Amino acid sequence: KNEVEQSPQNLTAQEGEFITINCSYSVGISALHWLQQHPGGGIVSLFMLSSGKKKHGRLIATINIQEKHSSLHITASHPRDSAVYICAAPANAGGTSYGKLTFGQGTILTVHP
Amino acid sequence: DGGITQSPKYLFRKEGQNVTLSCEQNLNHDAMYWYRQDPGQGLRLIYYSQIVNDFQKGDIAEGYSVSREKKESFPLTVTSAQKNPTAFYLCASSHRVFGQTTNTGELFFGEGSRLTVL
Repeated sequence: KNEVEQSPQNLTAQEGEFITINCSYSVGISALHWLQQHPGGGIVSLFMLSSGKKKHGRLIATINIQEKHSSLHITASHPRDSAVYICAAPANAGGTSYGKLTFGQGTILTVHP
Repeated sequence: DGGITQSPKYLFRKEGQNVTLSCEQNLNHDAMYWYRQDPGQGLRLIYYSQIVNDFQKGDIAEGYSVSREKKESFPLTVTSAQKNPTAFYLCASSHRVFGQTTNTGELFFGEGSRLTVL
């Protein structure tokens, strides 16, 4: 089973700071997902990436398949970025693992003005 | 706009009652999922469906049931057999079902349903 670990669990920043959230997984995958959960509970997909780097606005996601590691960066952080950020990867190694993602525990980000 | 709609947003239930949570999507996605989230824990898969009239148990299916009679709808029933049903429930969809070597496309989530058993 794929083990997905996120760090840090909690992150507090001042507005404008550069933020990095890390995600490590234990077995090879086809793609990794980064999700954002709002205080109300709804979840939005930020990125799905299988190699290299993706950028959307102030958000950047990178993945290193060989090292089984991904990072989510937020440049010029803002209080509205405060949310829980979750990474997720397919659950099983090899064969079919239909339907199953393993989710990290989430990183609670708080950005102060 | 395309998306996933869950209802109700909040639900209270007495012990011993069944309750059904609605999930509707207009994204034309084949795959749909139900997850449960408890405080301090990651999302856990309850059931998923790859196609109409087919669904599979996830990691914590006991005490739950689903149906997939239409492509756009995947309702979840929390039965009285579920020992600890108070939780936040999230429905999601994707073009194809996740596989270790399958690129599924982006995941879309609903806003969630918070169930409290009194």
